[in-house]
Amino acid sequence: IAGITQAPTSQILAAGRRMTLRCTQDMRHNAMYWYRQDLGLGLRLIHYSNTAGTTGKGEVPDGYSVSRANTDDFPLTLASAVPSQTSVYFCASSADRLNTEAFFGQGTRLTVV
Amino acid sequence: AQSVTQLDSQVPVFEEAPVELRCNYSSSVSVYLFWYVQYPNQGLQLLLKYLSGSTLVKGINGFEAEFNKSQTSFHLRKPSVHISDTAEYFCAVSGPAAGNKLTFGGGTRVLVKP
Repeated sequence: IAGITQAPTSQILAAGRRMTLRCTQDMRHNAMYWYRQDLGLGLRLIHYSNTAGTTGKGEVPDGYSVSRANTDDFPLTLASAVPSQTSVYFCASSADRLNTEAFFGQGTRLTVV
Repeated sequence: AQSVTQLDSQVPVFEEAPVELRCNYSSSVSVYLFWYVQYPNQGLQLLLKYLSGSTLVKGINGFEAEFNKSQTSFHLRKPSVHISDTAEYFCAVSGPAAGNKLTFGGGTRVLVKP
């Protein structure tokens, strides 16, 4: 079934450790996004990529980095995790930057202790 | 800049009763509007969207929403809810004001009671 795959589904991470959340899509979508979901705040955009080889900062980029070496993969890295990065992370993609419909992965629940 | 306000954080409703979820947005230019649903422990899926044309938009599972430009609103309605509609609902906006990136509201949790 075509869609977005995120890994891992959940993780407990010690503060100060480095972590990469993986995201792969097989829909050949140009645009990809990383959001974090926190209670009462909805989803907030961390980073995005309009096409392979380009990335941009969203609303809450500090402490996170991304890369887009090819169309399918869009990993999110926490260089040195802090407790405030405890959240549910969603990867999404859309056919183009007009974002007329975004497709979401199942999420990664990250707890930083 | 654009923003989205969902006026109700939680909406309890009895099965087979109607429900309305309110959404207001702020943007000085044209917008695209969306409602997404998130079932427990799942990702988000699109319910419906407004891009242009008719202001009344019909989506999946019997939901509909009406775009009101003068009131900058995009309220979601369903005439008769089912237990399976228990979920969190997110209103979102995109458009030229923010580089066509999606901005989400805080979400409304709907709990359908038997």
